[in-house]
Amino acid sequence: EIVLTQSPDFQSVTPKEKVTITCRASQSIGTSLHWYQQKPDQSPKLLIKSASQSISGVPSRFSGSGSGTDFTLTINSLEAEDAATYYCLQCTTFPWTFGQGTKVEIK
Amino acid sequence: EVQLLESGGGLVQPGGSLRLSCAASGFTFSSYTMTWVRQAPGKGLEWVSDIGRRGATTFYADSVKGRFSTSRDNSKNTLFLQMNNLRAEDTAIYYCAKDLAAGGDPWGQGTLVIVSS
Repeated sequence: EIVLTQSPDFQSVTPKEKVTITCRASQSIGTSLHWYQQKPDQSPKLLIKSASQSISGVPSRFSGSGSGTDFTLTINSLEAEDAATYYCLQCTTFPWTFGQGTKVEIK
Repeated sequence: EVQLLESGGGLVQPGGSLRLSCAASGFTFSSYTMTWVRQAPGKGLEWVSDIGRRGATTFYADSVKGRFSTSRDNSKNTLFLQMNNLRAEDTAIYYCAKDLAAGGDPWGQGTLVIVSS
């Protein structure tokens, strides 16, 4: 099983700050990694697919990068509505696995 | 507009069974793999199962293998999850998603399963 480890687990951030969340895979997964945002009492929403591909309707302040084992989700100029938990997901090998999540709080 | 609507959740005793459904609309259901993902209360996301476009291939997490069974009815655009021998640790919101390997956009709103005596 491929283990995804996100860091940090929690981040408290001031609006307009830049946020960086990393996701490290226990083995190489190419670019088969997606990022999701989940707000309280909502289902997860796709932010970035295949490590760096943007999604229609997602604000341009969200971007992704990386390949192999190390991936990054960046939120440029954080807004209050970005308070949420963020998850990475690998879809290279079954079982698909998620990172443990990173909770972003607005100061 | 792609829509996924889960149903069938509820309260069930340990050892009991439940069948979840996911009604799909807004896309050609038979052209996509489908996925079940769950989330225990206050916890992270856990992949549960995938099913191929024609239903001939299925994959399961070790935690549910032998107890859960995924199927689909392409004529009714519906995905199913048959859950048997339920345990307390199966308590979760169950989501369905379209083609998770390609990103899975969107997910359904989820249906809550509570396993308790």
